[in-house]
Amino acid sequence: QKEVEQNSGPLSVPEGAIASLNCTYSDRVSQSFFWYRQYSGKSPELIMSIYSNGDKEDGRFTAQLNKASQYVSLLIRDSQPSDSATYLCAVNIGNQGGKLIFGQGTELSVKP
Amino acid sequence: DTEVTQTPKHLVMGMTNKKSLKCEQHMGHRAMYWYKQKAKKPPELMFVYSYEKLSINESVPSRFSPECPNSSLLNLHLHALQPEDSALYLCASSQVPGTGSSYEQYFGPGTRLTVT
Repeated sequence: QKEVEQNSGPLSVPEGAIASLNCTYSDRVSQSFFWYRQYSGKSPELIMSIYSNGDKEDGRFTAQLNKASQYVSLLIRDSQPSDSATYLCAVNIGNQGGKLIFGQGTELSVKP
Repeated sequence: DTEVTQTPKHLVMGMTNKKSLKCEQHMGHRAMYWYKQKAKKPPELMFVYSYEKLSINESVPSRFSPECPNSSLLNLHLHALQPEDSALYLCASSQVPGTGSSYEQYFGPGTRLTVT
């Protein structure tokens, strides 16, 4: 079983819709969870971090964490074509220093 | 503007060359990272430095040699690379995990390496 799993997509949504990206992880001691956006040919850009159960909102982005279900998600409201990118879920394993385990990424396409 | 910078942006090198990748961060972080990313794959951790000391080496071949001269600089020395080492090399920095601070990792723009 992979440590961090994401649907690879591509996920296609119309402009203005809500895009929902999901991620599950296997290690129960995981403490910190991150979402990165990566445009083609560019480096990953941190867009959200979440450390405790519940929702965290930042502008059009909402991260949701459920440690009991080992599940973290990212919602993008009012999706724009500029949101088209690969979204990487990353999990920090509690006892391995700064090591981040990345999911395979979900490719999001927002159609005008 | 990114606060983690990397040079060069692109590098083409032969299998017998020696070259170095450079990374500098201006975020006051004390942890720095090297990642390798192949096309359509997530970043793979190579090395972690905490307080200028190597804390994690993910069993990286010795043809990759990291160096952390001070708290804001990180180098990756390359020697006798193989064509399969061609990839995007990413540097990142964060607060040191376990110090009570949040430790989001921030990436530099990367160096696109091609080994011929």
